[in-house]
Amino acid sequence: GESVGLHLPTLSVQEGDNSIINCAYSNSASDYFIWYKQESGKGPQFIIDIRSNMDKRQGQRVTVLLNKTVKHLSLQIAATQPGDSAVYFCAEGTGNQFYFGTGTSLTVIP
Amino acid sequence: NAGVMQNPRHLVRRRGQEARLRCSPMKGHSHVYWYRQLPEEGLKFMVYLQKENIIDESGMPKERFSAEFPKEGPSILRIQQVVRGDSAAYFCASSPPGQTTGNTIYFGEGSWLTVV
Repeated sequence: GESVGLHLPTLSVQEGDNSIINCAYSNSASDYFIWYKQESGKGPQFIIDIRSNMDKRQGQRVTVLLNKTVKHLSLQIAATQPGDSAVYFCAEGTGNQFYFGTGTSLTVIP
Repeated sequence: NAGVMQNPRHLVRRRGQEARLRCSPMKGHSHVYWYRQLPEEGLKFMVYLQKENIIDESGMPKERFSAEFPKEGPSILRIQQVVRGDSAAYFCASSPPGQTTGNTIYFGEGSWLTVV
């Protein structure tokens, strides 16, 4: 499969600050991207997705930005809360094929 | 609407034994994916199946590992003659039918295999 990687393996932020998690992908044919959150001992949980015909999409407290020129994806979490502490994965996909990055561990400091 | 169901959640096997992991996709989903996750690592794609068909098994080890998704019943990931290096979390995910971009895949809670 194609490689999908993350720039920062760990990230620590103060509660209330904004968090930015980055992801690089390598397959220029990927047309669908998803961010997942994984808490310890649990399965990945869908957060937000974006198609390649968009460059920004917002959800509740989260925003995903897509830069196809440099094959870069980011997840922004506003007003980070202790419950946001988890590992975050980006996934790239084409049709029904999906590949995941290594993940970034986010720690929120109270 | 039940999510993706995996069982067992935890499985301990001795070296050389067989491990069978089961996955029931979400209702209405006909596509199943298996991923392996080692401690502190990401999700590694193993296999993608539709009912009675293996679509992509490029991530499956060539020996000892097999997967099926029969017409009736759950998908099974089978590991024969397990070794300590097989110890990992195995996640199943499912998505609805169709090849349209934007079919999000939803994950189960995983099966944790420990080989002793």
